[in-house]
Amino acid sequence: DAKTTQPTSMDCAEGRAANLPCNHSTISGNEYVYWYRQIHSQGPQYIIHGLKNNETNEMASLIITEDRKSSTLILPHATLRDTAVYYCIVRVDPGSARQLTFGSGTQLTVLP
Amino acid sequence: DAGVIQSPRHEVTEMGQEVTLRCKPISGHDYLFWYRQTMMRGLELLIYFNNNVPIDDSGMPEDRFSAKMPNASFSTLKIQPSEPRDSAVYFCASCTSNQPQHFGDGTRLSIL
Repeated sequence: DAKTTQPTSMDCAEGRAANLPCNHSTISGNEYVYWYRQIHSQGPQYIIHGLKNNETNEMASLIITEDRKSSTLILPHATLRDTAVYYCIVRVDPGSARQLTFGSGTQLTVLP
Repeated sequence: DAGVIQSPRHEVTEMGQEVTLRCKPISGHDYLFWYRQTMMRGLELLIYFNNNVPIDDSGMPEDRFSAKMPNASFSTLKIQPSEPRDSAVYFCASCTSNQPQHFGDGTRLSIL
C-alpha cells in the first residue's frame, strides 16, 4: 500500500468547511483512497473512499487530484462532534479482505 | 442497523487471569478482524477470519492469545495468562469483500 502524508493537526471554526489534505505521491493506478476518523474513546469510523473521481456522501466529500497524488477530505459544515483524528489510507482492494494500516493521521479540532 | 458490538467495554483484571473479549459482527458480514491499539504501536491487526475460518493470525503476539469464531455471529479473543503489557484497547471490525470495514467501540483492557 502506498505511503500517505498528512498534517499532524488542524483547527477549524464551527460551521465552516474543514479541508483535510493528504499526499500520496506513490499511489498506483489500482489503489483506492480511504478516509476514516476516530473520535476519542470510539472505534475508527469509515467516512468515504474513491479511486479517481470525486465522491460525496452524507458525511463528506472527497476530492482527488487528476494525477491522483493528493486528495482532500471536505467536511462542509464542521461541528464540535467532528473533532477527531482523521486517517487517510491508500490500499489496493476496494474490498477490505486485508488489514487496514493506519498512520498518524490529522487531529482536527473544531472550535466553537 | 446494529453495528459491530463488543463486550465488555471495559475490563480490569489482575495479571495471570484469563481474559475473554467478545464480538458480534454486523449481520451478513463474512470477514471479521481483531485489532489492538496502544499509544506506542498504534492500531495493529491481530487476526482475521473469513467465513468463520482464521485466514491470517501472524499478528497474534504469542501463544497466550487465541481467537475463535464458532459461528457467523460471534467471535472471541482470549488471553491466558494475561500480563500488564497486554493492556490496550481491542477493536473488532467486520465487512464483506467489497465494503469498507466497520469497527466496534472496543474493549479497554487494563491488566494490573
